[in-house]
Amino acid sequence: KNEVEQSPQNLTAQEGEFITINCSYSVGISALHWLQQHPGGGIVSLFMLSSGKKKHGRLIATINIQEKHSSLHITASHPRDSAVYICAVTKETSGSRLTFGEGTQLTVNP
Amino acid sequence: GAVVSQHPSRVICKSGTSVKIECRSLDFQATTMFWYRQFPKKSLMLMATSNEGSKATYEQGVEKDKFLINHASLTLSTLTVTSAHPEDSSFYICSVGGGTGTRRFFGPGTRLTVL
Repeated sequence: KNEVEQSPQNLTAQEGEFITINCSYSVGISALHWLQQHPGGGIVSLFMLSSGKKKHGRLIATINIQEKHSSLHITASHPRDSAVYICAVTKETSGSRLTFGEGTQLTVNP
Repeated sequence: GAVVSQHPSRVICKSGTSVKIECRSLDFQATTMFWYRQFPKKSLMLMATSNEGSKATYEQGVEKDKFLINHASLTLSTLTVTSAHPEDSSFYICSVGGGTGTRRFFGPGTRLTVL
């Protein structure tokens, strides 16, 4: 069983829909990261969380440390949001190394 | 945030040749850089942690003589794939920002194809 699991693996939405991607982890962490990987391969760091909630534009990330769960929400989705979204954690026992989830492929249709 | 560049972005080479990939941190002094490889439809796999001025730390199963890492300055780390074979074909990505409580910044990646 992976230490970081994401759901769903694939998600197709219509433009304008509210989207939620979930991430569960089974280890103690010092931080959780949400990353976005575009079709060309480049990766952008969206959020780094250790508690609570963060918002940037149409993106919202939340984390519940007790439940070992995080969600990434996209409001008013747009075709340009189509990408792979990756959840990654820095484990308490692994220093600064990241442990990655398998990613969620999001496709937003116009 | 930090700007990270990689060169080349794409390389095609013949089996048996060596390929050097550069990762530059343009506006951030990186004592630590990370090298990943990614297979199609798969997540990133950490290959090694590159430490400025000292030897890299390789992950289990990664051959250090095959994947040579040099981190000679705070802004440059290089990954050399020696005697490349078709199974080394992959997408290689570097990252900077190593503090436990800090964001990570990724290079645009290098797509290596070994014929």
